[in-house]
Amino acid sequence: NAGVTQTPKFQVLKTGQSMTLQCAQDMNHNSMYWYRQDPGMGLRLIYYSASEGTTDKGEVPNGYNVSRLNKREFSLRLESAAPSQTSVYFCASRNRVQASPLHFGNGTRLTVT
Amino acid sequence: SQELEQSPQSLIVQEGKNLTINCTSSKTLYGLYWYKQKYGEGLIFLMMLQKGGEEKSHEKITAKLDEKKQQSSLHITASQPSHAGIYLCGADNSGYALNFGKGTSLLVTP
Repeated sequence: NAGVTQTPKFQVLKTGQSMTLQCAQDMNHNSMYWYRQDPGMGLRLIYYSASEGTTDKGEVPNGYNVSRLNKREFSLRLESAAPSQTSVYFCASRNRVQASPLHFGNGTRLTVT
Repeated sequence: SQELEQSPQSLIVQEGKNLTINCTSSKTLYGLYWYKQKYGEGLIFLMMLQKGGEEKSHEKITAKLDEKKQQSSLHITASQPSHAGIYLCGADNSGYALNFGKGTSLLVTP
């Protein structure tokens, strides 16, 4: 049972480059999320998708776009990477929008130079 | 949004000792989640608490939610090196996602 799978695991970008972080879950969960984790800042929500076909901004959406491709997949795109986007990115999913635990992927470590 | 304060920020304990980590909310907690993160890895779900006064245990880890539902504690009995990592509390806020505390880093020494 794979759970939540994120690719790639590591990535180095130059300022201005673009990339898409991929996330897929095999638990038939309705809701999916993207967080970033930075030292001293904790986990901050970037975007989420409460159900297939919907996406909403979280706490720190600037510089990012998302696509809920289908029920399984939720991608995060950086159109023009900036050094401030150097972070560890986590994708997560849950069965319901509340009162159920998030299941996390292992993260993507992104460095923007 | 809901603020979650964790204390202490970091903890070093000797193997075999007990320890407690606290998570305090500025608002009533309607769902409180505890996670463990090993260094460089993802978050592992430990326990979820919903009712005031609720207590849950898994192996040597016990989590409690106070009656007023504004504070939770995580207690580890007879700590082992395998308990080392970062412990985070998260809470359902008024939207659709979890807010998280900044985490407590635990190191267990021989």
